Amino acid sequence: EDKVVQSPLSLVVHEGDTVTLNCSYEVTNFRSLLWYKQEKKAPTFLFMLTSSGIEKKSGRLSSILDKKELFSILNITATQTGDSAIYLCAADSGGGADGLTFGKGTHLIIQP
Amino acid sequence: GAGVSQSPSNKVTEKGKDVELRCDPISGHTALYWYRQSLGQGLEFLIYFQGNSAPDKSGLPSDRFSAERTGGSVSTLTIQRTQQEDSAVYLCASSQRGGRFHEQYFGPGTRLTVT
Repeated sequence: EDKVVQSPLSLVVHEGDTVTLNCSYEVTNFRSLLWYKQEKKAPTFLFMLTSSGIEKKSGRLSSILDKKELFSILNITATQTGDSAIYLCAADSGGGADGLTFGKGTHLIIQP
Repeated sequence: GAGVSQSPSNKVTEKGKDVELRCDPISGHTALYWYRQSLGQGLEFLIYFQGNSAPDKSGLPSDRFSAERTGGSVSTLTIQRTQQEDSAVYLCASSQRGGRFHEQYFGPGTRLTVT
């Protein structure tokens, strides 16, 4: 059964801190790994990673994938209160479902 | 509209009643996905449409759940004889290209509460 595990499940830091969110996966026929930010109900797309070792960057957010060790990290530097959200990691297994297997998310709280 | 829309945004229903949830994808997106997010859980895939056909319904949790898509656009997810464990946020997403995932855009979801 495909599985995506995120850690930590929750994290509270102060504004300005740097955080690293972890995602490990076990999926058959892995194709890509995706990160989403969920603030209210709808997740918004952050990154899609398909190749190992190539960092994707968007402002203060960056992410990298390790296909050998089957994990990805999402880094947020100089955190702001607006970064408070649930960060979801999902694996595209390329299976018949054509959907994604999601982790339970990391609930990140940035305190002013 | 610019994004995926869903209705209603909130639905409270009594156990045993049927409910219909609606999703209006981004215009021109051929692929449409339904997910469910229960409290404390990750997103759970339910069903995927490519055009009007649903190549994979394997995520539907029971035969009380069904979905259809007409005209390659709007989709409805129907839950018959609702149970309390059906309470969740139901999210719809659409993608320009189906088959393998590229980039899915999510709607705001419908929060279903079964009392």
